[in-house]
Amino acid sequence: DVKVTQSSRYLVKRTGEKVFLECVQDMDHENMFWYRQDPGLGLRLIYFSYDVKMKEKGDIPEGYSVSREKKERFSLILESASTNQTSMYLCASSFPGRAGGYTFGSGTRLTVV
Amino acid sequence: QQQVKQSPQSLIVQKGGISIINCAYENTAFDYFPWYQQFPGKGPALLIAIRPDVSEKKEGRFTISFNKSAKQFSLHIMDSQPGDSATYFCAASDTGGFKTIFGAGTRLFVKA
Repeated sequence: DVKVTQSSRYLVKRTGEKVFLECVQDMDHENMFWYRQDPGLGLRLIYFSYDVKMKEKGDIPEGYSVSREKKERFSLILESASTNQTSMYLCASSFPGRAGGYTFGSGTRLTVV
Repeated sequence: QQQVKQSPQSLIVQKGGISIINCAYENTAFDYFPWYQQFPGKGPALLIAIRPDVSEKKEGRFTISFNKSAKQFSLHIMDSQPGDSATYFCAASDTGGFKTIFGAGTRLFVKA
């Protein structure tokens, strides 16, 4: 069964902490994505990567960075967590050209206090 | 920012009824329109998708209707079941799949 695995289901962090969210996929997908999901706003793209060490900003990259050192792993980093980053974070992956056909992880619910 | 507008925000349907969710997009460069289904505690899962060269696609009880001239598409769930209760997202994407814009979601509740 193909999978996108996010390392944590729930996280509580303090304001100003550096936070790492990890995502691993076992489908040999080139593309990987980080979205945040907020009620009434749908899914908003933070960053995506189309190859190892490559990254592109999405629609809301401010306050975030990413790292992709291996094909299967894509990390989202909150440099200095703030309360407005409290959200559900979803990782996804896909083959190139497979437009919109994403496989999502189960999400990480992050609370910043 | 390009948008995909989805309505209604929530929907309550009787078991056996038809659930209809509507979406409208702006960017004519979009050429792939998927629908995702999300259950509580899970990530969204691809349900059904359509390309603009067809006006309708059916998979089991789920049908997408697509109106290219109006830039609108909709999901119909026939014979709705309590197990269909979930949040549904429409989306619009370009061929490369890098720019997928999601609707805000519709929370569907099917009464037994």
